[in-house]
Amino acid sequence: AQKVTQAQTEISVVEKEDVTLDCVYETRDTTYYLFWYKQPPSGELVFLIRRNSFDEQNEISGRYSWNFQKSTSSFNFTITASQVVDSAVYFCALSEEPGGSYIPTFGRGTSLIVHP
Amino acid sequence: NAGVTQTPKFQVLKTGQSMTLQCAQDMNHEYMSWYRQDPGMGLRLIHYSVGAGITDQGEVPNGYNVSRSTTEDFPLRLLSAAPSQTSVYFCASSQTVAKNIQYFGAGTRLSVL
Repeated sequence: AQKVTQAQTEISVVEKEDVTLDCVYETRDTTYYLFWYKQPPSGELVFLIRRNSFDEQNEISGRYSWNFQKSTSSFNFTITASQVVDSAVYFCALSEEPGGSYIPTFGRGTSLIVHP
Repeated sequence: NAGVTQTPKFQVLKTGQSMTLQCAQDMNHEYMSWYRQDPGMGLRLIHYSVGAGITDQGEVPNGYNVSRSTTEDFPLRLLSAAPSQTSVYFCASSQTVAKNIQYFGAGTRLSVL
């Protein structure tokens, strides 16, 4: 069965600090997909990034970067020079190809609080 | 584009009452699902549907019913509301499952007294 662990329940930083949100996953499938979603205080979840299991390249988008390492089953998310607007709950999710558990499994989320 | 529309946004029920949470999407997505979000518990899957006429149970289905008579709509019915069903409910849809991005509604905040 697939599983996603976000061990950090809450992280508090001061603006401009760098912060890394951890995501560790478990799967027996060789083809799977990893996602990050953001839930700002307004409540609606929005998609940030998707990675498939065959693409281990790290990705950078502005102040956001993602580090995918199959060797450690991790898909960590780093925010550089954090801003107050980054305050949100962040969810990591995993789904496998049909034949496996193709229904997405979400981690419990990490609440990031960025203080001015 | 409306995306995923959930109604109502807020609801207060008394124990034992029934109600239906509405979810509609206009993206012709095959896959729809309902989650509940409780503090410290993340998102827990209640029911899901991979297409019109097909539904299945998720992690926490007890006390909820769903149906999928059309591609667009996926209502969630609370049969006899209990205080334990106080939660925030999210509907989501995606083109298919596995690799596809989930699009979420704005959520319904439900309180059962």
